[in-house]
Amino acid sequence: DQQVKQNSPSLSVQEGRISILNCDYTNSMFDYFLWYKKYPAEGPTFLISISSIKDKNEDGRFTVFLNKSAKHLSLHIVPSQPGDSAVYFCAASINYGGSQGNLIFGKGTKLSVKP
Amino acid sequence: DADVTQTPRNRITKTGKRIMLECSQTKGHDRMYWYRQDPGLGLRLIYYSFDVKDINKGEISDGYSVSRQAQAKFSLSLESAIPNQTALYFCATSDLAGGFGNEQFFGPGTRLTVL
Repeated sequence: DQQVKQNSPSLSVQEGRISILNCDYTNSMFDYFLWYKKYPAEGPTFLISISSIKDKNEDGRFTVFLNKSAKHLSLHIVPSQPGDSAVYFCAASINYGGSQGNLIFGKGTKLSVKP
Repeated sequence: DADVTQTPRNRITKTGKRIMLECSQTKGHDRMYWYRQDPGLGLRLIYYSFDVKDINKGEISDGYSVSRQAQAKFSLSLESAIPNQTALYFCATSDLAGGFGNEQFFGPGTRLTVL
């Protein structure tokens, strides 16, 4: 059973508009969530994270929202730029008591930002 | 210079051959990981190591083995490669002392093809 789900394999957005990437999870024990960005022929790179004690974290054009009751998080990119075109992975972990659990990844969403 | 390096970057081999993928890091991190990425399946954990004497199986360890030769080196072996092990392989590291959360840093990947 998939514990972290990204139900949209792809998303296409016009440059300058908002990109919203969604992620759902099933394990209520997850308490830390991360977004990674991956370009072709490169490894994933960390983008932004959020702990379960928050419902929003912002870093420049990137904002992650967490809705714990719905077990849902989303990544907003505003404004979207062509250089944002990549595959985005959502990941979650359990860190209760400082144990730093392993990351569980979703299958990814391929974002295309068109000029 | 890259913090996490992987060799080789590309490898084509034949069914039944033994192959080793190597990972080195200069980040000084305690934890190292091996993942594979298949189209539409995201990143799946093969093995992970919390230090030189601590090796753990991940989600899909069958058919693989690992060796942690030093804090900075973690290698993945396929004892007898089979075609369904054709995939993109990533090494990652994280810092046990990094506090809450588990941000991992990825290498550039090794594309392995088993004929």
